[in-house]
Parts: sequence; C-alpha cells; structure tokens
Amino acid sequence: DAGVIQSPRHEVTEMGQEVTLRCKPISGHNSLFWYRQTMMRGLELLIYFNNNVPIDDSGMPEDRFSAKMPNASFSTLKIQPSEPRDSAVYFCASSPADRGEQYFGPGTRLTVT
Amino acid sequence: AQSVAQPEDQVNVAEGNPLTVKCTYSVSGNPYLFWYVQYPNRGLQFLLKYITGDNLVKGSYGFEAEFNKSQTSFHLKKPSALVSDSALYFCAVRDQAGTALIFGKGTTLSVSS
Repeated sequence: DAGVIQSPRHEVTEMGQEVTLRCKPISGHNSLFWYRQTMMRGLELLIYFNNNVPIDDSGMPEDRFSAKMPNASFSTLKIQPSEPRDSAVYFCASSPADRGEQYFGPGTRLTVT
Repeated sequence: AQSVAQPEDQVNVAEGNPLTVKCTYSVSGNPYLFWYVQYPNRGLQFLLKYITGDNLVKGSYGFEAEFNKSQTSFHLKKPSALVSDSALYFCAVRDQAGTALIFGKGTTLSVSS
C-alpha cells in the first residue's frame, strides 16, 4: 500500500502565480480531505469530498482557492492567484467509508514570495 | 458544535517515566475519538481510535488512551516514554453522523534522556 501520495513535496512560487497541488488517495477510500497547517493557525480543514462530491468547503479561505475531484483516484487544490499569506503546508488525507480514521499524505510545503 | 481541547501546549517527560497527553471534547451524541502523531516535516500518523466498547484503547508504538464519558476526556498515555516519542500529538473528534474530524491544536511532547 503506497499510502496517500501528494505532489509536489515542495513548491516555491511568486505572488500572483497559479499553484496546483495534487493528491492521490489510498485505493478504496471514499472520503478525501484537504488541510492547511501553519504555526499561527494550526491544522485547518479546507474542504472534503465523499465519493468525489464536495461536501463541505466552508474552510476554503477565499475564492482564490478551488478544489476538484474528477475521479476516485485524484484530487487537486488550486490557488489562483497565490499570495504570501498562503504559505503553509498543505495536507491531503483519505478515509475508508465506515472506519473514521484518516490517513495523511506527506504534505506539500508551499512558499509564496 | 463539536470541539476538542488540548490544554497543554507542551509536555516534558524524562525517558522511562510514564506520560500523559490530555484531551477533552464536546460532541452531541456518542463520540468517535482519535489520536494522531506528527514528526517533523511529516504528515500526521494515526495512533489509535475509540468508537465503542472498552474504555481503554491500545494503539501503535505502545500508546493507549482512556475514554472517560463523564469527564468527556480521552487522554493519551504510555507507561514508559522513549526519546523517540518526542513529537506533536493531535486529538480529534467527530460525531456518529459526521465524516470530518475536528482536531485540537496539538501538544508537543518532549522526552529527555
């Protein structure tokens, strides 16, 4: 089992650029979550999907953030345009239907200069 | 509304001594409770969970947690701490009907040799 796969692991970009983060959940898991972690705000849930359908996006900070899950094995989190305050570690996690625990990927460290 | 509190930002323990990391929760109905550990520059790793049954739950790396319904607590414990246990620990909760987890702010555990 490869676990949750995220790419890239590190991203450095300039303010105003578009950033796309990618996630491949564990096969067979039907829930997918995107989190952001910073020293100031801790771990924040941005959005989650059940069976590829967005269920709760109330944590998405602004319209600059968008997430998609076109199929059961792939999701993206896009920031357009990026700003320095978006600098954080972004985690993707997946969960099987009836067990509750989530399995986290290694994260993408985003730096916006 | 669901919430989780980890009252200690940091816990310091000497190697070989027992450790406790505290967690209290608020949720409507029966809670699903979780502990995660995060090592530097890594994603969160699932340690253990309580859904129903025995109040004492055993998990990975020799950790256990005790569910106390009357005190709405789910403290993480280990009889004998190791230096390698030093990490950031998160408690999380969800209700029976929910999917998303609510995470606490995290407690840094430091085990000295």
